[in-house]
Amino acid sequence: RKEVEQDPGPFNVPEGATVAFNCTYSNSASQSFFWYRQDCRKEPKLLMSVYSSGNEDGRFTAQLNRASQYISLLIRDSKLSDSATYLCVVNLNDMRFGAGTRLTVKP
Amino acid sequence: DTGVSQDPRHKITKRGQNVTFRCDPISEHNRLYWYRQTLGQGPEFLTYFQNEAQLEKSRLLSDRFSAERPKGSFSTLEIQRTEQGDSAMYLCASRDDRESYEQYFGPGTRLTVT
Repeated sequence: RKEVEQDPGPFNVPEGATVAFNCTYSNSASQSFFWYRQDCRKEPKLLMSVYSSGNEDGRFTAQLNRASQYISLLIRDSKLSDSATYLCVVNLNDMRFGAGTRLTVKP
Repeated sequence: DTGVSQDPRHKITKRGQNVTFRCDPISEHNRLYWYRQTLGQGPEFLTYFQNEAQLEKSRLLSDRFSAERPKGSFSTLEIQRTEQGDSAMYLCASRDDRESYEQYFGPGTRLTVT
């Protein structure tokens, strides 16, 4: 079993749609959790950290369920500029990345 | 630009040759990480340093790979006797572990082994 597993995607959605990505992790001792965004041929950049209480940053909402070892990212009112690959990241002593879910937002 | 920099950005080499990549982290970031990323996959952890000490190495890091951070600032990653399977993007990231878990990535070095 992979340490971090994500929806395979790709997701193709129209502008304004709401889209949700899921991620599961295998190591229950994992300490911190993140979503990174990676544009084509660019380096990953932090989108948001994920807290147990859930957190929101504008149109983006992240949730963590430690009991189920599950992380989610919800994007509301999607924009063309949201098109990218979204990487689920789990940290124990070092960062473990999921394979990423590719999102394409179409006009 | 005070971000993470990597050099070279692209490297094409023939199988069997040795290559060396350099990473300059954000100054005062005490942790430095190396990752490898292939098409359609997320970055795979290779190794990391805290200051000049190499604290962890992935099983992915075969004997042909070696990394150094001699003065706790820049780091080098060397691949000896390259193989076609080494073709990938090699990413470097740094962070200040006194501040946050966020890692800042460099633009990567794309290696092609022919």
